[in-house]
Amino acid sequence: QKEVEQNSGPLSVPEGAIASLNCTYSDRGSQSFFWYRQYSGKSPELIMFIYSNGDKEDGRFTAQLNKASQYVSLLIRDSQPSDSATYLCAVSRTGRRALTFGSGTRLQVQP
Amino acid sequence: DGGITQSPKYLFRKEGQNVTLSCEQNLNHDAMYWYRQDPGQGLRLIYYSQIVNDFQKGDIAEGYSVSREKKESFPLTVTSAQKNPTAFYLCASSMYSNSNQPQHFGDGTRLSIL
Repeated sequence: QKEVEQNSGPLSVPEGAIASLNCTYSDRGSQSFFWYRQYSGKSPELIMFIYSNGDKEDGRFTAQLNKASQYVSLLIRDSQPSDSATYLCAVSRTGRRALTFGSGTRLQVQP
Repeated sequence: DGGITQSPKYLFRKEGQNVTLSCEQNLNHDAMYWYRQDPGQGLRLIYYSQIVNDFQKGDIAEGYSVSREKKESFPLTVTSAQKNPTAFYLCASSMYSNSNQPQHFGDGTRLSIL
């Protein structure tokens, strides 16, 4: 089992729809969760982070964390073609100073 | 402007050659990291450093070496022992050396074999 798992996609949604990206993790002791956006050929850019169970909203983005079920998700409301990118989930692991990244989900927003 | 600067943007390595990738940050961050990304893959940790003159191996350290002589600099050397060096190399930093801190990335260096 991978430490951080994401569906590779592509996830295709029409413009204006809600995109839902999911991530599961294996270390029950994980405390911090991050979402990064990576455009093709570019470096990852931090979108959101979440530490506590529940929802955290920032503009069109909502991160949702459920530690009991060991998943974290990212919702993008009113999806735009400019949101088309790969979204990387990153998780802190017990006793480890660096983050562990999933392989990413490619999102395509169709105009 | 504060940020992380990686250079060069593109680098070509000849067989048997060592090459060094530069990473400089002016964010006054304590921790710095090196990741490798292969096409269609996530990021894999090569080395990280929590403070000056200290660094730790990550998951794929073989064939790589680092130094941390100054807080703002964390260069990565890809040695000839790394047989498959072609990848996108990303340097990151975070304010403190714990994994609750978000990491911010430089623009990356693409390394290819000649």
